[in-house]
Amino acid sequence: DAGVIQSPRHEVTEMGQEVTLRCKPISGHDYLFWYRQTMMRGLELLIYFNNNVPIDDSGMPEDRFSAKMPNASFSTLKIQPSEPRDSAVYFCASSFRDRGPDTQYFGPGTRLTVL
Amino acid sequence: AQSVSQHNHHVILSEAASLELGCNYSYGGTVNLFWYVQYPGQHLQLLLKYFSGDPLVKGIKGFEAEFIKSKFSFNLRKPSVQWSDTAEYFCAFSGGGADGLTFGKGTHLIIQP
Repeated sequence: DAGVIQSPRHEVTEMGQEVTLRCKPISGHDYLFWYRQTMMRGLELLIYFNNNVPIDDSGMPEDRFSAKMPNASFSTLKIQPSEPRDSAVYFCASSFRDRGPDTQYFGPGTRLTVL
Repeated sequence: AQSVSQHNHHVILSEAASLELGCNYSYGGTVNLFWYVQYPGQHLQLLLKYFSGDPLVKGIKGFEAEFIKSKFSFNLRKPSVQWSDTAEYFCAFSGGGADGLTFGKGTHLIIQP
C-alpha cells in the first residue's frame, strides 16, 4: 500500500490567501484525522471523520479553518484567509477500526509557511 | 483536561547506553497508549501500542514500554541504543471512546557514535 498521501508537501503563501491541503487515506480505512504540529503547542488534533462524516471538530482553531471529506479516498483542509500564525506542519492520518481502537497511520505532512 | 507529559525535551546518549523516556498522561478513564517515532525527514511511525492485557509491551527495533496504571505512566525503554535511534519520540493516548490522539510535546533523542 502507498500509505497516506498528502499534497502539497510544502506550501508558501502570503497572509490573506486561501490554502487547501489534501489527503488521501489508506484504502479501506474508515477513520481520517487532521493534526497540526507547531513548536509551541506540539501535535494537536484538529478534526476527524468516520465514514466521511465529521465526528469531532472541537480542535479546529477558528472559523477560518474548514475540512471536508467528500468520499472515502479524499479529504481537504482549507484555511481562508490564512495568517502567519497558521504556519505549521499539518498531518493527515487514517485508521481502520473494526471492533476497537487501532493504529493511526500518518502521512508525510504538509509544511505550511504563511508570510 | 486530557494531557500527556514527556519529562525530557532533549536527551543525548552514547551508543550502547540504556534508554528510558518518561511519559505520564492525565485522564481518569480507560486509555489506549502509543509511542510514535519521527526519524529525521520522515513521517510519524508507530513504535508500539498498549490497549489491554500484559502491561509490558514490546515494539519494533527493540523498544518496549510498561503501562503502570497506578502511576498513569507509559515509559519507553531500550536496553542498548544505536546511532540510528536518533529521532523525535512522541507519547500519545486516546480514551473515553474518543478516537483522536492526545500527544505529548515529544522528546528529541540524539545518539552520539
